[in-house]
Amino acid sequence: AQSVTQLDSQVPVFEEAPVELRCNYSSSVSVYLFWYVQYPNQGLQLLLKYLSGSTLVKGINGFEAEFNKSQTSFHLRKPSVHISDTAEYFCAVSDRSPTGNQFYFGTGTSLTVIP
Amino acid sequence: DTGVSQNPRHKITKRGQNVTFRCDPISEHNRLYWYRQTLGQGPEFLTYFQNEAQLEKSRLLSDRFSAERPKGSFSTLEIQRTEQGDSAMYLCASSLGATGPNEKLFFGSGTQLSVL
Repeated sequence: AQSVTQLDSQVPVFEEAPVELRCNYSSSVSVYLFWYVQYPNQGLQLLLKYLSGSTLVKGINGFEAEFNKSQTSFHLRKPSVHISDTAEYFCAVSDRSPTGNQFYFGTGTSLTVIP
Repeated sequence: DTGVSQNPRHKITKRGQNVTFRCDPISEHNRLYWYRQTLGQGPEFLTYFQNEAQLEKSRLLSDRFSAERPKGSFSTLEIQRTEQGDSAMYLCASSLGATGPNEKLFFGSGTQLSVL
């Protein structure tokens, strides 16, 4: 089974400052990697995903993430955050299984953007 | 495409009562997933369906939990004899069911269960 570790449960950051949300995973097989965002009172939305190819993945709302196989990490970054980025962010991993994927989620990082 | 719809949004019940939640996935989505999320935790997988077939169940899903998707469209999750530990947000997600890179989950807003 996979496991996902999000090292920071809460990250406060000032508006327009850069931010990095950390994610590490453990897996003995190849995986797909995802970041989901959950805004208050809303369902989870896909932010970006890594499947193969370029290790730098760009997502919606100016977010990007870099896959580092040697460090088994998939950290999420944004160069300049906005108030509207305040949300819960979840890193997820799924097996490259031909029978279908089960998604494993981290415990989440609460990003609070301070005006 | 109206998204994944879950009802009710909130449910308060007394311990020992039965509760049932409903999920309407995005039309044409073959796969439907149920997750449970508690405060400070990420979503935990409970079960998933490919059309009407329930393909996988987590060990988290005790005998008091049952899920159905009778016609391969909407799904229900029933919890019998609820316990306080069942209090959580129950999330439903659906996907097109294509394996690999097209496997993308669309989540509903969830049903918040509070067992008193």
